[in-house]
Amino acid sequence: EADIYQTPRYLVIGTGKKITLECSQTMGHDKMYWYQQDPGMELHLIHYSYGVNSTEKGDLSSESTVSRIRTEHFPLTLESARPSHTSQYLCASSVGDGNTIYFGEGSWLTVV
Amino acid sequence: QKEVEQNSGPLSVPEGAIASLNCTYSDRGSQSFFWYRQYSGKSPELIMFIYSNGDKEDGRFTAQLNKASQYVSLLIRDSQPSDSATYLCALYNNNDMRFGAGTRLTVKP
Repeated sequence: EADIYQTPRYLVIGTGKKITLECSQTMGHDKMYWYQQDPGMELHLIHYSYGVNSTEKGDLSSESTVSRIRTEHFPLTLESARPSHTSQYLCASSVGDGNTIYFGEGSWLTVV
Repeated sequence: QKEVEQNSGPLSVPEGAIASLNCTYSDRGSQSFFWYRQYSGKSPELIMFIYSNGDKEDGRFTAQLNKASQYVSLLIRDSQPSDSATYLCALYNNNDMRFGAGTRLTVKP
């Protein structure tokens, strides 16, 4: 089982603020992902990375950006938060091809 | 057609019964298949994975894969109220993991 840590777990911020959601994993997994999920709704992939200095946009258009400077760290940044960004953000990681994706506990973001 | 299709439910079964969850997929090149359980407000957690045609059993859970018919299912025997959750089907293909929308299962005492 992978150890994936997300901070903050819960955050309420004002419109227009910049926010970075942190994600770190200690298993040396090469692949990392960010999913967005509204309550009771399906997962949407917004960003992924196959390794250091590799980042790609996912299926769901997102105004967030990511970086992958170190293998274990995959932060997600919203430059100017809006109420439409209110959601749960799930970080995940996996190793190799076709292997299990492990999820962090999620970050609940509310923009007021 | 979605790449991974699941009946959204809710599926309701009595305690002790067998719950059957189904998933169909469109891409015949899909290589590996996963079932995740997600409790309300929590993140998905892996139940089991299956790569080959046939059945794979793990405790009360059995995954069934039929690549010719492009479906994968999850059977939960002796269902318990603690099994009440949303079950996500996922598959891996071409360097990409795809998730279904999930089936909500309720096990009634």
